[in-house]
Amino acid sequence: QLHLQESGPGLVKPSETLSLTCTVPDGALSTTSLYWGWVRQSPVKGLEWIGSIYYYGTTYYNPSLKSRATISIDTSKNLFSLKLGSVTAADTAVYYCARHLLVAGRSRLAYFDSWGQGTLVTVST
Amino acid sequence: EIVLTQSPGTLSLSPGDRAALSCRASQSITTSYLAWYQQKPGQAPRLLIYGASNRATGIPDRFSGSGSGTDFTLTISRLEPEDFALYYCQHYDDMSPTFGQGTKVEIK
Repeated sequence: QLHLQESGPGLVKPSETLSLTCTVPDGALSTTSLYWGWVRQSPVKGLEWIGSIYYYGTTYYNPSLKSRATISIDTSKNLFSLKLGSVTAADTAVYYCARHLLVAGRSRLAYFDSWGQGTLVTVST
Repeated sequence: EIVLTQSPGTLSLSPGDRAALSCRASQSITTSYLAWYQQKPGQAPRLLIYGASNRATGIPDRFSGSGSGTDFTLTISRLEPEDFALYYCQHYDDMSPTFGQGTKVEIK
């Protein structure tokens, strides 16, 4: 089990940009054959995958959030980040970062085997 | 988008009972690309099963997964006190994974 830690503001105003960072152990982000992802959880929508990134920058996003989400990575600082623009109350959720494995031998996103503890982000004035 | 429907919403059982949780997909999931997670209050989900039937590292053998196509099952052979929790399924049949809405296993 890998240790991941989310950080960022717990309160964001409507229409602004939510920004979160996930810190991982030194060198972990450069591991090949896996991605690093963001998942959120709210009482209304349940668990929802936001997107994932490979160590050299390839990204995949949930189609429903693609227009507002940006995931980036900085292997030198052992972190990857999420920005979600134009937030509304519907974006209020616990946000998790997680290690996103690939199907063995294939370039297909699979399941999440290590998760951060999660951070609650509330969108409100 | 593949929609996963879990049933029942709540399962009320006693320690020692057998639990069977269902996850049904809106279309066939190829090669059994389905995972199960356990979540306890205030904690992140924990991977239990991947590939429909493969236990993740450190998961007790009382947890087993089965199924193919559109119908999948997570079985807990004998419930231990620590097994009362929420359970979610997740498919990875395409590049937009989705989760089911969850089944709560509660103490009867």
